[in-house]
Amino acid sequence: QVQLQQSGPGLVKSSGTLSLTCAVSGGSIISTNWWSWVRQPPGKGLEWIGEIYHGGSTNYNPSLKSRVSISVDKSKNQFSLKLSSVTAADTAVYYCARTAAAALDYWGQGTLVTASS
Amino acid sequence: QSVLTQPPSVSGAPGQRVTISCTGSSSNIGAGFHVHWYQQLPGTAPQLLISGDTNRPSGVPDRFSGSKSGTSASLAITGLQAEDEADYYCQSYDSSLSLVVFGGGTKLTVL
Repeated sequence: QVQLQQSGPGLVKSSGTLSLTCAVSGGSIISTNWWSWVRQPPGKGLEWIGEIYHGGSTNYNPSLKSRVSISVDKSKNQFSLKLSSVTAADTAVYYCARTAAAALDYWGQGTLVTASS
Repeated sequence: QSVLTQPPSVSGAPGQRVTISCTGSSSNIGAGFHVHWYQQLPGTAPQLLISGDTNRPSGVPDRFSGSKSGTSASLAITGLQAEDEADYYCQSYDSSLSLVVFGGGTKLTVL
């Protein structure tokens, strides 16, 4: 059973950089799957941030592309998200997920990240 | 405003059947991209309910079913139970935006 465990700070200063990591267990990150990040502002819907393949290829949401970076660490079986120049609008629950045939079939537990001044 | 349009809320009594629609366009659902559905219980991460338009992952009850036609898709829930009360989201891919897109979500209330 694949499990995704998220880690990272829940508070980020405005204009700073949000950093989260997602550790994969129960399976290898080196597979045919892509690995994704999704966020959900409080009380609102889901927004796709981007995805990465174990070889390093990435796809990003065009609205966030200038500020987002997703990387993979195959030796640690984990992948990470960095979002720079955060503002209050980036306050959300951030989820990592495995993408299988375009569907997000396994999700992390979620991390509430608050951008504060 | 979401690329995929869902009704904000639906409701039904226990045992009844409800459907949730997901309306897209020719650059996403109408272009043949698959639709996936998620259930999000309060305070928890979304869970995959239907993949590839109609497929139920292992463990999902057969009370849940998906369909797709033209530029729209639907999620049907039969034999409604109190535990089905949750938010439901559809998801697809939009080729014009080069973006994975979600519907705005539908809150299901079991009366």
